[in-house]
Amino acid sequence: GEDVEQSLFLSVREGDSSVINCTYTDSSSTYLYWYKQEPGAGLQLLTYIFSNMDMKQDQRLTVLLNKKDKHLSLRIADTQTGDSAIYFCAETTLDNDMRFGAGTRLTVKP
Amino acid sequence: EAGVAQSPRYKIIEKRQSVAFWCNPISGHATLYWYQQILGQGPKLLIQFQNNGVVDDSQLPKDRFSAERLKGVDSTLKIQPAKLEDSAVYLCASDSGTRGEQYFGPGTRLTVT
Repeated sequence: GEDVEQSLFLSVREGDSSVINCTYTDSSSTYLYWYKQEPGAGLQLLTYIFSNMDMKQDQRLTVLLNKKDKHLSLRIADTQTGDSAIYFCAETTLDNDMRFGAGTRLTVKP
Repeated sequence: EAGVAQSPRYKIIEKRQSVAFWCNPISGHATLYWYQQILGQGPKLLIQFQNNGVVDDSQLPKDRFSAERLKGVDSTLKIQPAKLEDSAVYLCASDSGTRGEQYFGPGTRLTVT
């Protein structure tokens, strides 16, 4: 099974905020990432956070990290139909292995 | 800058046949990865190269999968013979070593019938 866990589906209305959650298991993770995958395409790096940070904001994206609970979230403000995709959470451990969750399929309804 | 290139984009073969995928990483990126992404799952690392040396191939089914990265640039991944369960998207990624950011190619979708 996956070491990194995510809920499989999220549906929001256009203009609302989306929050995608992820839990990871390796407390030695150095970096945590969010990738976006559109149909038929490879993974696109959206943002990342270093493990000693609590929050990172990048335009419409806000990443929150709770190291105590090993919980990572991605908030997308003012979600647009173009944000519909699968979002993958990933962690990089000290031995540089990158592990991915199964992905959360975000559907944005007009 | 140009991204990670992969070919072919799609491949359909019968079980027990052989297949090869090609990857050209971003120029200057020393580290190259091959991942297998089965439908509905996240990518799973198959093999990692640093220049032309293998760093991690612990998840590579070596009885049927092989990979090489001659001259530390392009890489090929081969499956011989293919099984039905090899149907997946094979993703190539590269990174420069900074922050471990990996840049992915569009993938090759393999269907084994």
